[in-house]
Amino acid sequence: DAKTTQPPSMDCAEGRAANLPCNHSTISGNEYVYWYRQIHSQGPQYIIHGLKNNETNEMASLIITEDRKSSTLILPHATLRDTAVYYCIVRASLGGSARQLTFGSGTQLTVLP
Amino acid sequence: GAVVSQHPSWVICKSGTSVKIECRSLDFQATTMFWYRQFPKQSLMLMATSNEGSKATYEQGVEKDKFLINHASLTLSTLTVTSAHPEDSSFYICSATSGGVEAFFGQGTRLTVV
Repeated sequence: DAKTTQPPSMDCAEGRAANLPCNHSTISGNEYVYWYRQIHSQGPQYIIHGLKNNETNEMASLIITEDRKSSTLILPHATLRDTAVYYCIVRASLGGSARQLTFGSGTQLTVLP
Repeated sequence: GAVVSQHPSWVICKSGTSVKIECRSLDFQATTMFWYRQFPKQSLMLMATSNEGSKATYEQGVEKDKFLINHASLTLSTLTVTSAHPEDSSFYICSATSGGVEAFFGQGTRLTVV
């Protein structure tokens, strides 16, 4: 699986958009970009994933650059409950095969009141 | 999303005793479950991959005789920490998948060995 690089920490004002970057310059054609987050002392929570098109769901939007070497997770209106460590993970999806997720160090997002 | 339940949420045990942690997929059949360990201020580290009906595959450096994994059904995997020592104190997390693109995580178990 390709390696990812994320800033160790970011702050965001409550109510504003939080934009979390991820660099994955060695990503290969069959690898997806996944985002999970981990609130303190809880298990990771799936947020969103994408291959090359931008994706949006009720939690967030995922913007993937055209060359797929980087992506940005956008939380449109951050709340205090969004304070967590956000993990960007690149992994190939092999149809029915199950593969583990490899977690990097992630970005600690702190939403400030 | 699918629900994975982990039990207990926290446990304190004496050094030398064994502790069993359960991981259940509540609304789907999990052909594969993964066990992770997370030390304070560190990221999740994969310990082992558990496939239903077969022996677990352990990551390098993880003692299979110390961390016993059983995946007897499509909805339950257990991790038993045998002869626990204070250095085994950690946050243990399971995840489960039915082979789709998403993996769902339990809420984690905080183990403290005294």
